[in-house]
Amino acid sequence: HSALTQPASVSGSPGQSITISCTGTNSDVGAYKYVSWYQQYPGKAPKLLIYEVSSRPSGVSDRFSGSKSGNTASLTISGLQAEDEADYYCNSYTSSNTVIFGGGTKLTVL
Amino acid sequence: QMQLQESGPGLVKPSGTLSLTCTVSDSINDYYWSWVRQPPGKGLEWIGYIYYSGSTNYNPSLKSRVTISVDTSKNQFSLKLSSLTAADTAVYYCARVGRYCTSISCSTRWYFDLWGRGSLVTVSS
Repeated sequence: HSALTQPASVSGSPGQSITISCTGTNSDVGAYKYVSWYQQYPGKAPKLLIYEVSSRPSGVSDRFSGSKSGNTASLTISGLQAEDEADYYCNSYTSSNTVIFGGGTKLTVL
Repeated sequence: QMQLQESGPGLVKPSGTLSLTCTVSDSINDYYWSWVRQPPGKGLEWIGYIYYSGSTNYNPSLKSRVTISVDTSKNQFSLKLSSLTAADTAVYYCARVGRYCTSISCSTRWYFDLWGRGSLVTVSS
């Protein structure tokens, strides 16, 4: 399984919405509900944002939402805020009983 | 809330073996546990996971060099990575794999819900 494909960077202005895509195959993203998203600030550990495609852990803002269509999962951040500037990673379970990350997307809030 | 803490040498020599331990603040039982690494300035790479009972699975690209083990008596799990090169220089994270429980049973859900702070390991002579 190769790394899931994410855009290297995305940007948006405060208040806008942005979407980060995560493209895999029918052996990982397309095959399972186990797609998750993580937010990472520089020098910090990743934090779980979305699990099982669209569920949010307790304490995560409802401005973060997830979806999936076929082999592509998406993370949408609405009402963009300066504090959302971070790196975002997707992750999926695979048919080999392994897990795989996306390459990561750097979000810049203009 | 449960906490995870990585520990181990920060500097190891090329061709040597990296050894890290993750200490869990509560019982390690009934969960899968994982190691993830991040080279400087790069993305996350999954290394492998272990169930508290000892069953494992590894990233195919690292499988020949990786061993993950567990010590339930100490609530710890460990990583060994051999035949090191500079490309193995990274921050190494330990993480818990999520699960969902009902009143009847629990099932593993493949996401990482708790992370350690990370441990930087540099491979250099």
